[in-house]
Amino acid sequence: NAGVTQTPKFQVLKTGQSMTLQCAQDMNHNSMYWYRQDPGMGLRLIYYSASEGTTDKGEVPNGYNVSRLNKREFSLRLESAAPSQTSVYFCASSGSSGVYEQYFGPGTRLTVT
Amino acid sequence: GEDVEQSLFLSVREGDSSVINCTYTDSSSTYLYWYKQEPGAGLQLLTYIFSNMDMKQDQRLTVLLNKKDKHLSLRIADTQTGDSAIYFCAENHSGNTPLVFGKGTRLSVIA
Repeated sequence: NAGVTQTPKFQVLKTGQSMTLQCAQDMNHNSMYWYRQDPGMGLRLIYYSASEGTTDKGEVPNGYNVSRLNKREFSLRLESAAPSQTSVYFCASSGSSGVYEQYFGPGTRLTVT
Repeated sequence: GEDVEQSLFLSVREGDSSVINCTYTDSSSTYLYWYKQEPGAGLQLLTYIFSNMDMKQDQRLTVLLNKKDKHLSLRIADTQTGDSAIYFCAENHSGNTPLVFGKGTRLSVIA
């Protein structure tokens, strides 16, 4: 099993450019999440999807959109990138039973100049 | 809203025990977790504890939960240089809802 995969691993954008970060999981999980990690700020939830077809805002949704394409895939789109969106982005997924632990992808390091 | 607090840094000598502390505000937390993040990697679940337990041991790791004080700790026995990482405390309010994470404690192990 690959677990949670993210593409790309690294990306540099100019201010105003757009891009989509891709995330996929092969664990048949219902819930998926997007976080950003900044120094000293810990992990902040951007958006999450509790099940296929639903999405909800997290703590810092402004400037982002998401799509839950199917049960496996959850993408994060930056329509007009800003330097404040320079960060490391993590995707995670979790099941609907058991101990509800989240499994994380390896991250995408994004720099906006 | 719910909040999880951790100290940001801890430094220990190789072979000593490390204790990483965490406090949380949500009295209805069901599960509490410890995650480890190595440099350049995502978070990996280390261990978890259910809210009706007060201790859990897993090899070198001991988790203590004081539900009355809303205090969680992670003890790593015989700390090794490979334990150097950021450790995140997280709590689950109910079922399949997003976890609430602390800001992480950076553990440095000195040889």
